[in-house]
Amino acid sequence: AQKITQTQPGMFVQEKEAVTLDCTYDTSDQSYGLFWYKQPSSGEMIFLIYQGSYDEQNATEGRYSLNFQKARKSANLVISASQLGDSAMYFCAMRANNFNKFYFGSGTKLNVKP
Amino acid sequence: DAGVIQSPRHEVTEMGQEVTLRCKPISGHDYLFWYRQTMMRGLELLIYFNNNVPIDDSGMPEDRFSAKMPNASFSTLKIQPSEPRDSAVYFCASSFFVRDSTLQETQYFGPGTRLLVL
Repeated sequence: AQKITQTQPGMFVQEKEAVTLDCTYDTSDQSYGLFWYKQPSSGEMIFLIYQGSYDEQNATEGRYSLNFQKARKSANLVISASQLGDSAMYFCAMRANNFNKFYFGSGTKLNVKP
Repeated sequence: DAGVIQSPRHEVTEMGQEVTLRCKPISGHDYLFWYRQTMMRGLELLIYFNNNVPIDDSGMPEDRFSAKMPNASFSTLKIQPSEPRDSAVYFCASSFFVRDSTLQETQYFGPGTRLLVL
């Protein structure tokens, strides 16, 4: 069975500091993809970053990077130089098994303090 | 590209009424997904289509829910009759198949429809 776990319901970070949002996953598949989405208070789901299971390098997209540790089955999102606009819910998701179904975690609510 | 378009953005209805939610996927995308989001249950996949054909509807909660995709650019999710427990945000998302099988089929979400059933 596929499962995504986000153990941090809420987090605070000071503006301009870096923050790591945790995500662990469980799958028996060898090939899978990991995704992070941001959901601001306005409600839309915004795609941030993708990591493939066969990718040897950690994915990066601007201030977002994914700390992928395959042996530990973790795919943590790192946001550098936090901004007030980063305050939002963040969801980790996994796609496995060559089906197009996504499995989502329960989310982490990030608050950036000025 | 306009992104995934959903309508209406907000819907308030009374218990027992029929509700129809609409979605236009991103042009060229061949997968379409309907999700429901609540505080209690988080994001739930209701149903998804590939090339307009329903592939997995195991998440559809009851027979009161039905979804159709008559063509590549339009899908509906219907609730009949609606109940207060159906109150949620309903998202439509779309993606396209990536041939190299890296599973990089990112799903792009619409803005959602906030449904309130009184």
